[in-house]
Amino acid sequence: NAGVMQNPRHLVRRRGQEARLRCSPMKGHSHVYWYRQLPEEGLKFMVYLQKENIIDESGMPKERFSAEFPKEGPSILRIQQVVRGDSAAYFCASSPPVQGSYGYTFGSGTRLTVV
Amino acid sequence: AQSVTQPDIHITVSEGASLELRCNYSYGATPYLFWYVQSPGQGLQLLLKYFSGDTLVQGIKGFEAEFKRSQSSFNLRKPSVHWSDAAEYFCAVGPTGGGNKLTFGTGTQLKVEL
Repeated sequence: NAGVMQNPRHLVRRRGQEARLRCSPMKGHSHVYWYRQLPEEGLKFMVYLQKENIIDESGMPKERFSAEFPKEGPSILRIQQVVRGDSAAYFCASSPPVQGSYGYTFGSGTRLTVV
Repeated sequence: AQSVTQPDIHITVSEGASLELRCNYSYGATPYLFWYVQSPGQGLQLLLKYFSGDTLVQGIKGFEAEFKRSQSSFNLRKPSVHWSDAAEYFCAVGPTGGGNKLTFGTGTQLKVEL
């Protein structure tokens, strides 16, 4: 029973490029959450998705960031035209329906470095 | 708005010594409370969680935490620390009923001296 799978583990992008981060939830989990961890800080909520629906994107920056969770395949966090300030660890969590944060399982994260 | 304070950024203890990591929260009702551990380059592993009932919660790896409503605290403890416990520890709160997002503290980095 695989856990939450995130890839890539490490991603290096030049300023202005696009970054795509993938998250496959645990089997049986239909809810996905993305968090960002800036250096020396705790995790900050970005977005909560169910299949084909964005439920809460209150933590997403207004520009350049988008997220999706299609009917088939992993959830994708997309960052367009990356800047140095986007360098961070991005974590995905998944949960079964109803449990919300009480049922979270986190992935190992994607460390994005913008050069 | 809910918030979490972990007042100690770094803590160093000797192996075998006891440990207490502090966590204070601000929330209108009794929140759901969590402690996570993050080893270098790794994801977050849940140590324990609380939402109701006995205020002393047992977790994995010998950790426990006590919810004190009067102090708005949820401190993490371990009677005897092992070198493998060196990691970063995060306290988090979620809204009553679980909700869908957690608010994290800024973390406490634990160093264990042999």
